[in-house]
Amino acid sequence: AQKVTQAQTEISVVEKEDVTLDCVYETRDTTYYLFWYKQPPSGELVFLIRRNSFDEQNEISGRYSWNFQKSTSSFNFTITASQVVDSAVYFCALSEAWAGGTSYGKLTFGQGTILTVHP
Amino acid sequence: GAVVSQHPSRVICKSGTSVKIECRSLDFQATTMFWYRQFPKQSLMLMATSNEGSKATYEQGVEKDKFLINHASLTLSTLTVTSAHPEDSSFYICSASHRDSRETQYFGPGTRLLVL
Repeated sequence: AQKVTQAQTEISVVEKEDVTLDCVYETRDTTYYLFWYKQPPSGELVFLIRRNSFDEQNEISGRYSWNFQKSTSSFNFTITASQVVDSAVYFCALSEAWAGGTSYGKLTFGQGTILTVHP
Repeated sequence: GAVVSQHPSRVICKSGTSVKIECRSLDFQATTMFWYRQFPKQSLMLMATSNEGSKATYEQGVEKDKFLINHASLTLSTLTVTSAHPEDSSFYICSASHRDSRETQYFGPGTRLLVL
């Protein structure tokens, strides 16, 4: 069974601080996808990134960066120089990547981390 | 990017009535759509997977007769909450994945259901 753990329930930072959101996952699949989604107060989930299990290169997109370490089954998300607009709930998720699998495309979500950025 | 809409965004109904929620992929064809339920300050719980032209696959513990799902076209899936009760009050979110790229799901804005 797949499982995603986001141990940090809530994080509070002051604007311009860097913040890292942790994500640890469990899966028996050899190929899988990892995702991060942002859910602002409006409720709509915003897709941030998808990472294939074969691609361990870290990725940077503006103030966002992701650190994927297969050895520790972690896929952490860092926001540099945080802003008030970053305040949201962030979800890490996992899905099976094999198209023939019965769970293909189904997402397993972590519990989410509530990030509050104070001015 | 891919756009998914939901209608209505918010609905209040009386106990015992049925409520239909629509999920549409606006700029792409979605072979598969997913329906989630989210309680306040909790994560998303997958209710069912909906494939165009076939019966939905429900997750364990989700009542098929309670939550009717229809996926009649490549751009539309509907969730009907039948004989709604106050415990059905929740935030319902749909997602859709491209026909040619099922790996990533794009989410609708969600529907807040309040059953009185």
